[in-house]
Amino acid sequence: GDSVTQMEGPVTLSEEAFLTINCTYTATGYPSLFWYVQYPGEGLQLLLKATKADDKGSNKGFEATYRKETTSFHLEKGSVQVSDSAVYFCALSDRTSYGKLTFGQGTILTVHP
Amino acid sequence: DAGVIQSPRHEVTEMGQEVTLRCKPISGHDYLFWYRQTMMRGLELLIYFNNNVPIDDSGMPEDRFSAKMPNASFSTLKIQPSEPRDSAVYFCASSPGLAGGFGPNEQFFGPGTRLTVL
Repeated sequence: GDSVTQMEGPVTLSEEAFLTINCTYTATGYPSLFWYVQYPGEGLQLLLKATKADDKGSNKGFEATYRKETTSFHLEKGSVQVSDSAVYFCALSDRTSYGKLTFGQGTILTVHP
Repeated sequence: DAGVIQSPRHEVTEMGQEVTLRCKPISGHDYLFWYRQTMMRGLELLIYFNNNVPIDDSGMPEDRFSAKMPNASFSTLKIQPSEPRDSAVYFCASSPGLAGGFGPNEQFFGPGTRLTVL
């Protein structure tokens, strides 16, 4: 079945540092890929998405490129801020799953001033 | 739109009691999902509905859990009887469904209900 694997956390960075959170997936079809973010005490919200190979999703300075050859969708940001501290989830969905998302385990990011 | 609405936001109950969690999805969304989040197990999909019909309930942990969606604007998740291991944050999410040639749509999450079973 479908699965998503994220890099182990937690990740702790200083403000303005470069961020990478790795995500790889296994899927039988041609999935769409997502990054969701969960701020403390809140529900998850969509950060960015990509629906086909080589697409790049971007939002709020975050980027991720859909790499079919390496089955990856790594999240990057060039300069993190304290306000980026949150839990980040990689997820996939394919058309055979009728909109159901398969989530990774989540990566906790803490950014210090 | 107010987004996905969940109630209550916090629930504290004693073991053996019945617990009912409520969700109002975003108007016009065809899909509704119930998730459970714990530190140990992460985010788990419990059940989801399409047009008020349950599609996949394989994530429901046991018969103590049940979910209904009597109409397009309301869903409940019930635990009876509750146990301490049910303590978690329960999220409801809704989605407008498949976006045609662009694949699955995003899910919109509610703020969650934090359940504590003593």
